[in-house]
Amino acid sequence: GAGVSQSPSNKVTEKGKDVELRCDPISGHTALYWYRQSLGQGLEFLIYFQGNSAPDKSGLPSDRFSAERTGGSVSTLTIQRTQQEDSAVYLCASSWRTSGLQFFGPGTRLTVL
Amino acid sequence: GQQLNQSPQSMFIQEGEDVSMNCTSSSIFNTWLWYKQDPGEGPVLLIALYKAGELTSNGRLTAQFGITRKDSFLNISASIPSDVGIYFCEGNQFYFGTGTSLTVIP
Repeated sequence: GAGVSQSPSNKVTEKGKDVELRCDPISGHTALYWYRQSLGQGLEFLIYFQGNSAPDKSGLPSDRFSAERTGGSVSTLTIQRTQQEDSAVYLCASSWRTSGLQFFGPGTRLTVL
Repeated sequence: GQQLNQSPQSMFIQEGEDVSMNCTSSSIFNTWLWYKQDPGEGPVLLIALYKAGELTSNGRLTAQFGITRKDSFLNISASIPSDVGIYFCEGNQFYFGTGTSLTVIP
């Protein structure tokens, strides 16, 4: 597709379960970002991948959160042992390079019951 | 992560009115960007600013990079119903404002 895609669009899970969120960046974009947006809040940076460099994980809120990017393209954000406070919209963005303009996907709305 | 101070938090205006919102930070930034987010969508870039004092327009939108490099504002002139949404500022990378929710009353 032409834009960033994310799946699933909505995810409802029970507290304590693990979830995986997927992001397909724009083809050719070397940088990929994950953000969390809680209800009525701005975007909170989680993690950033640039090419083959080690990811910047400085925004991950706890060790329950992890992400990987396979082959420099698709990325998966994993949240283990989900808690109710993890409920939010998780947004992915990609850009041509570091400090390039970011293009956002539609997000995955996660609800933890 | 750090969030920027964005105001106002929400605005209710009549169609045709002008709108102004701003972001401030205690830190100096090298770039300021403004986005609009529609319900159920990701943010879409409106304007990017790269130099202190820079004033850039995109149709009815005008944004400025403050000369102190610690603030930026976005103006929307002659608002229309499709301007409804949440507007975010971003400083450098990763630092976003808390958003301004705009409602335009026809």
